[in-house]
Amino acid sequence: RKEVEQDPGPFNVPEGATVAFNCTYSNSASQSFFWYRQDCRKEPKLLMSVYSSGNEDGRFTAQLNRASQYISLLIRDSKLSDSATYLCVVRRGYSSASKIIFGSGTRLSIRP
Amino acid sequence: DTEVTQTPKHLVMGMTNKKSLKCEQHMGHRAMYWYKQKAKKPPELMFVYSYEKLSINESVPSRFSPECPNSSLLNLHLHALQPEDSALYLCASSQPGGLAGVIETQYFGPGTRLLVL
Repeated sequence: RKEVEQDPGPFNVPEGATVAFNCTYSNSASQSFFWYRQDCRKEPKLLMSVYSSGNEDGRFTAQLNRASQYISLLIRDSKLSDSATYLCVVRRGYSSASKIIFGSGTRLSIRP
Repeated sequence: DTEVTQTPKHLVMGMTNKKSLKCEQHMGHRAMYWYKQKAKKPPELMFVYSYEKLSINESVPSRFSPECPNSSLLNLHLHALQPEDSALYLCASSQPGGLAGVIETQYFGPGTRLLVL
């Protein structure tokens, strides 16, 4: 079993839809959580850090459930430009000395 | 400015060549990373430097040799690579959080696309 698991998708949804992704992690020592998006042949770009209390940035909402060991990303009113691969990233600790694990990514395709 | 730059953008090398990848950031970050990414796969961590010292080596073969000459620069020296080493090599940097509970966020460069023939 992978330490960080994501549904690979692809998710194919119409513009304007709401879409949600989950990511589960198996190591209870994990402390820091992030969502990155990666466009084809580009580098990953930080979308959101995920805080214990949950956080929102415009159309994007991230939640952390430590008891069940998962994080989620909700995208409301999806746009064509949201089409990308969404990577869940988990760090076992807060610092650069702690191990970082990427999920395999969830592909999202928004259709007109 | 959250910019990490990498050179070259593309590199083609033979299995007997020696080449270097370069990464630079001017955000004052004190942690820098090398990742390898194959097509349709997530990035895999290779090395981490923290305050110019190697803090993580993910059992990377010795044909990859990292170097951190100063806090802004990170190099990856390549020698006797194999065709299976062809991939996108990503550099990232972050500012150490310093205190527990302060999240340290990584910023990625655009990568060097490497082809080994």
